[in-house]
Amino acid sequence: EPEVTQTPSHQVTQMGQEVILRCVPISNHLYFYWYRQILGQKVEFLVSFYNNEISEKSEIFDDQFSVERPDGSNFTLKIRSTKLEDSAMYFCANPGQAPNYGYTFGSGTRLTVV
Amino acid sequence: AQSVTQPDIHITVSEGASLELRCNYSYGATPYLFWYVQSPGQGLQLLLKYFSGDTLVQGIKGFEAEFKRSQSSFNLRKPSVHWSDAAEYFCAVGAPGGSNYQLIWGAGTKLIIKP
Repeated sequence: EPEVTQTPSHQVTQMGQEVILRCVPISNHLYFYWYRQILGQKVEFLVSFYNNEISEKSEIFDDQFSVERPDGSNFTLKIRSTKLEDSAMYFCANPGQAPNYGYTFGSGTRLTVV
Repeated sequence: AQSVTQPDIHITVSEGASLELRCNYSYGATPYLFWYVQSPGQGLQLLLKYFSGDTLVQGIKGFEAEFKRSQSSFNLRKPSVHWSDAAEYFCAVGAPGGSNYQLIWGAGTKLIIKP
């Protein structure tokens, strides 16, 4: 079963610091997504990425956020200046390909901003 | 706008009892439908999904779900729950049409198992 791998599993950072969350998606999948889940709340879409470009982003994904593909296989989600309200679980995901569409999520990175 | 409603925030059932978790969606056409399970502090595991065809789908861990178009529902069922099923369950929908779609999520239902 193909896997999506995320690192680190848990990150604690001080408010105002930059954080980089990393993900290795399933190879050969075209689309790549980031979601987040604030503790006790529903999962929310952040951004989708296709062919080295952002294809769609939510209102949450403001200028503090960026997505990159630094080396052709890994993806990163960067938060430039973290706020307390950025504390959440961040998931990357591949939505799958025909004929077996389906979303595969990484195990998540729990970000705690103090 | 698309939305997903899970009316039950918590459900408590006895071990060995049957389970049904409700999910209703609002969407203009038949969306892709998913159920995920999340243990505390863990990731999201796909239980089952529906794209088309047979409206009763089987998933992992003995779960099944039935798509009812007339009711815009995709309820999750299990005939006999085990203590290890205690977790939070999320229903999600995605717009059909290929491999580029975001998921819209319900708020989740926390399943508590009584011994």
